[in-house]
Amino acid sequence: AQSVTQLGSHVSVSEGALVLLRCNYSSSVPPYLFWYVQYPNQGLQLLLKYTSAATLVKGINGFEAEFKKSETSFHLTKPSAHMSDAAEYFCAVSEGTSGTYKYIFGTGTRLKVLA
Amino acid sequence: NAGVTQTPKFQVLKTGQSMTLQCAQDMNHNSMYWYRQDPGMGLRLIYYSASEGTTDKGEVPNGYNVSRLNKREFSLRLESAAPSQTSVYFCATWTISSYEQYFGPGTRLTVT
Repeated sequence: AQSVTQLGSHVSVSEGALVLLRCNYSSSVPPYLFWYVQYPNQGLQLLLKYTSAATLVKGINGFEAEFKKSETSFHLTKPSAHMSDAAEYFCAVSEGTSGTYKYIFGTGTRLKVLA
Repeated sequence: NAGVTQTPKFQVLKTGQSMTLQCAQDMNHNSMYWYRQDPGMGLRLIYYSASEGTTDKGEVPNGYNVSRLNKREFSLRLESAAPSQTSVYFCATWTISSYEQYFGPGTRLTVT
């Protein structure tokens, strides 16, 4: 079975600093990988996805992630944090057969942005 | 175009009561999912439905039942609620055209 590990349940950065949220996955086949963001009291919104095209994936709000097969990683970065980036971030890997897929989610990383 | 809608938004139940959480989508997606979200545990899959008329267990199905009434609607039923079922419940859909899941706004359930 596939799994996702997010290192650091809480991450704090200063406004304007680099954001780095870590995600490692285990998969026996080339995976599809996703990052979702959840703002307080809301549902999840897709930030970006990797579906075996370019290994560097750009998403919304200035975020990007790089798929590194050798490291089984899909870390999320943003060059300069903004106060509005404060939220919880989830990494997910999909697995599927017969035309439908299930997602396996990591436990999430709560990002705090300090003024 | 409402996307994925869930009702109710909030619910408080007493132990042993039953209730049904409703989910509806207008995106014409075949696959639908129910998750629960608990602090520090991420989202865990309860049940999913690959298409109308089919349902399958996920990671944490005990204490729940589901019905895929038609392509649009996927309901989650708690027959006898327990305090361990206090959680936020999310419904989602999935499409093979983008491999993305689309989430509803959630239902916050408290069982006392």
